[in-house]
Formats: sequence, structure tokens, C-alpha cells
Amino acid sequence: DIQMTQSPSSLSASVGDRVTITCRTSQSINNYLNWYQQRPGKAPELLIYTTSSLQSGVPSRFSGSGSGTDFTLTISSLQPEDFATYYCQQSHSTSFTFGPGTKVDIK
Amino acid sequence: QVQLQQSGPGLVKPSQTLSLTCAISGDSVSSNSATWNWIRQSPSRGLEWLGRTYYRSQWYNDYAISVRSRITINPDTSKNQFSLQLNSVTPEDTALYYCARLFTGTTSFDPWGQGTLVTVSS
Repeated sequence: DIQMTQSPSSLSASVGDRVTITCRTSQSINNYLNWYQQRPGKAPELLIYTTSSLQSGVPSRFSGSGSGTDFTLTISSLQPEDFATYYCQQSHSTSFTFGPGTKVDIK
Repeated sequence: QVQLQQSGPGLVKPSQTLSLTCAISGDSVSSNSATWNWIRQSPSRGLEWLGRTYYRSQWYNDYAISVRSRITINPDTSKNQFSLQLNSVTPEDTALYYCARLFTGTTSFDPWGQGTLVTVSS
């Protein structure tokens, strides 16, 4: 299976801050990298697909970038509803795998 | 708008079979542009993809190596739903179980079901 790592595992930030989360894969995944947001008690929701495409209805403050094995999710100006856990996920291999998550909480 | 509605028991005894169903609205289990997946989440294992069923002129299944000997995912075209069966469960199978569609156009999981907490305990 393709292994996924995320950094940091958690961060504290304030409303209005720029936040960057990194995801690294154990092998190149041809940009088949997706990002999800999970709020407490809720199912994950798709934010970004294939590295940089914004899912319909997702605010433009979310963006994704990267290639090969290194990918980034950026929130340009953190809003109160963005405090959640974020997961990356690869779709390059049929045995889909997820990162361990990055929890974003209020400073 | 595609929606997935899960159903099934929240408590299963060790060595028995975990059974969950995911009802689809707004899409078809026989769609040629989707696959239908089960994913679970636990503190110890994080988010773990378990397997999928999909139709491409015939039915196919793929399963995670970790559960391959114990899992069955079946489509039910008459009810437009799909199911998960996990045999010989142990307390390590205690988790929040989700169904999810993978749309081939985006190769991503969207939407997800609401989740079912399944506890394996006697």
C-alpha cells in the first residue's frame, strides 16, 4: 500500500490566519491526491480533488497544490467554520489510503 | 444530489457477522461512472478503505488485503443499494463505518453516508 504522512499532526491558529498542511506519499501518485474536511461527529467532506481542483460549493479560500509525492492544502484566511480535522487521500492505487489527519483548532 | 443512507446494527458479538446497508438516492448502483465503497474509522487505524463494488458491463469487487478473507460487498439493484458483510469480527473491528461513492470523473469519495458506529462486544 502507498503510505501517507501529514504534517503537522495538529496546529493552533486564529481566525484570519493563513494555514498550510502538508501531505507526503511513499511513491509518486500522478496527482491523484484528494483533501477532506471532517468536523466533529460528521462524515468527511471532499474539499479538493486531483491535487488542485476545488469541489463545487467549497469556498475559494481553500486551495491545493503539489506534484509527485509532496502536496499542500492551504487555507488563505481561516474562518470559524474551518476548525476541523483535514485528511489527504490517494487514488493512484486501488488500495486507497488516507493520511493520519491534521487537527486545526483555535489558538 | 446524491445521498447515501446507512442502516444496520450498532452492536455485534465477537465471532459474528457485521452487516450494514447503504441506500443510494440520486444515482444508480449500476452506474458506469461510480464505484461504491465502504470505509471505516477508528482511533487506532485512522481512515481505512475496506472495499468496493462496481458495474462495468459486469459486477466487480475489490477488497483491502487486511480484510480480504472476511469481507463481502454486494450490490442490490432492485433496491438501489449495496451492503457490507464482515465475518468473524473481533473487538479490533470496532469502528465508525462509512459508505461512500467514488465518482470516476474526480477519483474522489463524495458523498459519504452518515456513518454507523459498530461496537464489537459480548
